[in-house]
Amino acid sequence: QKEVEQNSGPLSVPEGAIASLNCTYSDRGSQSFFWYRQYSGKSPELIMFIYSNGDKEDGRFTAQLNKASQYVSLLIRDSQPSDSATYLCAVNGGPDSSYKLIFGSGTRLLVRP
Amino acid sequence: DAGITQSPRYKITETGRQVTLMCHQTWSHSYMFWYRQDLGHGLRLIYYSAAADITDKGEVPDGYVVSRSKTENFPLTLESATRSQTSVYFCASSDRDLPQHFGDGTRLSIL
Repeated sequence: QKEVEQNSGPLSVPEGAIASLNCTYSDRGSQSFFWYRQYSGKSPELIMFIYSNGDKEDGRFTAQLNKASQYVSLLIRDSQPSDSATYLCAVNGGPDSSYKLIFGSGTRLLVRP
Repeated sequence: DAGITQSPRYKITETGRQVTLMCHQTWSHSYMFWYRQDLGHGLRLIYYSAAADITDKGEVPDGYVVSRSKTENFPLTLESATRSQTSVYFCASSDRDLPQHFGDGTRLSIL
């Protein structure tokens, strides 16, 4: 059973701080990694995706991937109250099913004003 | 506008009834997916489709039927609804190896 694990939280950080969200996955064949943000009552919205080891930055967001450790993280710099949401980590199903995603249960982030 | 739309947004029905949830995308994406989202389980894949007339089961397919006669449409049918199928249903689409994009969801309650 392929799995994606996330701490459910809530992760509480003060406004302006760095929020660090973590995710581990079980399938070593996974090649694509995604972070989605989901506000309460809304649909998941893609924030970042990363395919290669290392860091990928987009504005206040940085995705980090370590395939050897099967670990992917999302850093949110200068956190804002509007960043309060659930963050879903998703991993593709490996080379035989690269179009399918396996989702973690999500980490709830709370940014305190 | 291009995008992915789901209908209805909300639906209340009774056990034993047939219910169809609609999904339409304008991107001409090859792949389409149906998920359900429940507290404590995250997003679980029900069915997916790689192209018109090609569908396959996901993680939780029992009690659901899908079809895909046209690339842009991917309806999900609950043939005889049960209370355990009360959930939020999301449709998504993508091209191979590209991120999936989600519709706004259908909140389904079965009484």
